[in-house]
Parts: sequence; structure tokens; C-alpha cells
Amino acid sequence: DVKVTQSSRYLVKRTGEKVFLECVQDMDHENMFWYRQDPGLGLRLIYFSYDVKMKEKGDIPEGYSVSREKKERFSLILESASTNQTSMYLCASSPTRASGQETQYFGPGTRLLVL
Amino acid sequence: GENVEQHPSTLSVQEGDSAVIKCTYSDSASNYFPWYKQELGKRPQLIIDIRSNVGEKKDQRIAVTLNKTAKHFSLHITETQPEDSAVYFCAASIITGGYQKVTFGTGTKLQVIP
Repeated sequence: DVKVTQSSRYLVKRTGEKVFLECVQDMDHENMFWYRQDPGLGLRLIYFSYDVKMKEKGDIPEGYSVSREKKERFSLILESASTNQTSMYLCASSPTRASGQETQYFGPGTRLLVL
Repeated sequence: GENVEQHPSTLSVQEGDSAVIKCTYSDSASNYFPWYKQELGKRPQLIIDIRSNVGEKKDQRIAVTLNKTAKHFSLHITETQPEDSAVYFCAASIITGGYQKVTFGTGTKLQVIP
């Protein structure tokens, strides 16, 4: 059974702080994704990675960066947190297309509050 | 980039009735269309998906249809039950080699009234 875990379920930070959100998957998936989920806006892609040390900007990358030093771990970094980054953050992973499966498996989410 | 529109944003149906959620996409290169269900307080989970070379797919009470010409796809739930109450997201995905980029719709909150 695929397992995607996130380092925190709830996080409270202050404006200007550097914030690290970590995601780990245990199924040797190539692709990993970071989304933010806001009411009425659905899931919006922040960044994704299809290989170690590779990253691609999603639809809303401003104010965020990512790191993928190991295949199983994908970190989202808020360099200087702002109140408009208060949101639910969801990590996901998926296998390569060569496996014939593109299902995304989601983590439980991190609810971040920036004061 | 890809744009996915989803309607309606909320949907209430009586138990036993059918529910239909519709999505449109903009990028004709999209070739994979999953649907996710997110129950309250839980993570999204895949319930059904369809590839661009298929027009319809069924799995028990749920079905998805795809019209590539019109660039729209729909989720159909028959004989709805209270446990179907959740937020449903459609998505359009471009897959090439090991590279996958997914764009989600804004979600539909389905309420099934007992």
C-alpha cells in the first residue's frame, strides 16, 4: 500500500519566518508534487519534480521553492512566510508512465497558519 | 497552460438519485483525466480515471465520459448513497515519458440527502 507522509499536520508560523514542509513516499515513485488547497480554488500546483534534483514550476510558484535531494523526499520551502500563504498544503507522488499507472497518491496535508 | 473548469461547485441530490459533474479543459495535449474524491478531513483519493483514447469507463455506480472534440469530460454517479457525500475534483494531465503535470478543477461539493 502506497504511503505518502507529511512532516506536520498543523503548523503555525510568523510572517517572515522560513518554513519547511517535508513529504516522504515509500513506493519508489519518480514524480512528486506540491499543491495548495484553498476553498473555491481547488488544488493548485506549486512545484513538481520528476527526478532527483529536478524541479519544475507549477501554476503558482511565486514565494516558494523546493528541494529533492533524495528520490523519496520532496521539500517545500517558504523563504519568507506571508499571511497569504496560509493554506492547506498537499503533497502527492505518482509512478512513471512506463509503469502504466499515473495515479497520484496524496499525503494527509499540512494546514499552515501564518500570523 | 492548461485550464480546467468544473461545474457545479455544489450539488445536492436525494439518496438514490443520480449526480453529474462536468469539466472542460483547454489543452488538447492532455491525455489522462482522473477524478478524485475527498471526504471531509481526508486526503483526495482516485475513484476513476480515463485515458484520451477511450470514450467511456464504468466502475459499479460511477462512470466517466470523455468528449475529446469538445474537450469535456463528466463524472456520473448513479443510485447515490450518503457515503458519496464529499468534494470531487476532476483533473487533466499531460503525460510524456516519466513527466506528468496535472491541473485540477476547483471541486464540486456533493451532498446526498438521506
